[in-house]
This record gives sequence, structure tokens and C-alpha cells, in this order.
Amino acid sequence: QKEVEQNSGPLSVPEGAIASLNCTYSDRVSQSFFWYRQYSGKSPELIMSIYSNGDKEDGRFTAQLNKASQYVSLLIRDSQPSDSATYLCAVNTGGGADGLTFGKGTHLIIQP
Amino acid sequence: DAGVIQSPRHEVTEMGQEVTLRCKPISGHNSLFWYRQTMMRGLELLIYFNNNVPIDDSGMPEDRFSAKMPNASFSTLKIQPSEPRDSAVYFCASTWLGGELFFGEGSRLTVL
Repeated sequence: QKEVEQNSGPLSVPEGAIASLNCTYSDRVSQSFFWYRQYSGKSPELIMSIYSNGDKEDGRFTAQLNKASQYVSLLIRDSQPSDSATYLCAVNTGGGADGLTFGKGTHLIIQP
Repeated sequence: DAGVIQSPRHEVTEMGQEVTLRCKPISGHNSLFWYRQTMMRGLELLIYFNNNVPIDDSGMPEDRFSAKMPNASFSTLKIQPSEPRDSAVYFCASTWLGGELFFGEGSRLTVL
């Protein structure tokens, strides 16, 4: 059974600091990895995708993937109060349009 | 594009009643997914369709749940009879060839 694990938090980070969110997954054949942000009462929205080992940067966001350790992380630099949300890690085993398996999410709070 | 459109946004019903949730995917997307989100279990994949054909319904909780996709622009998720434990937010999402998954606003179901 595919599992995606995240610390539920809440993770509290001061404004301007780096927020670090972590995720582990159980299925070794997983190929695609995603980070979604979900504000309270809203739907998830994609913020980062990563497919190969290493780092991928997009603005203030950096996704890190280590397939050997089955570990994905998301770093948010210069954290802003608007970054306060739940961050969902999602994993896709197949290369096609198979459904994503989501973690339960980490609740991030950025303190002004 | 209007995005993924779901209806109703909120539904309150009594135990034993039939519930039908509706979804219109983004035009041109060929894959459609139904997810259920609760605090306890997070986002769970119920069923997904590729080119209107159900591919994997292993996440459907039991026979009370059924889903159809009669054409590329419409899908329904039906619960009959509904039970209080079905209370959750149901999300529909669509994508093209395994690309970014776009979510609808969700249908919040409360079964009394």
C-alpha cells in the first residue's frame, strides 16, 4: 500500500525565516512528486513539482528530492504570513495520469 | 477557462438519503479524479477516469458509492444511502496526460 507521511504540525516559523517541510513515501517506484498548498476552506493548488534527485528552485520555494532515502522536502525562504497554510505532499507512482497519493499535510504558521 | 466546476458547494442531508455530486472538468483534460478529504484521513482518492473510462475504483469505500462519467465534460459521484460517516469535502480534479492536477472548489457534505 502506498503511503505518504508528513508531520501534521503545526509548524510555527517567524516571518522572514526559512520554513522546512518534510515528506517520506513508501513506494520505491514512485516517479513524480508534488507539493500542494491548501488554505483553510479552499482547494489544494500546485506550487512545486519535482521528478529527479536534487533541488529545484522556483522563486522563494525549493523542492528537494532524494529517491534513495525516499524523502521529499520543501523549503520556503523569506516566509511571509500569506504562506500560512497546510502543505500537502503528493506522490505519483506511474508515469501517466494515475491518481496522486497525498500525505495528510503539514499545517504551517508564519508568525509576524 | 473557468476551471473545474463542482456542484453543489454545500449539501446537508439526512441519513439514508441519496446524494449526487457533480463535476465539470476543464475542457480538454482527459483524466478526472474524485477525492474525499476529512481531518482524520486527509485526501483520499476514490476513483479516477481516463478518457471517460473508470480506471481504478479501489478507493471507493463501499457499494453505496458509485461514479459515472457519461462524457468528457461531466461526471457524478453518488452516495445511496448516505451515512453520517460520509460527511466530508469531496473534491473533483482533472488533468491532461498526467500534468498538473487542477482541483475544483469542493462539495462539503454533511449527513445528519
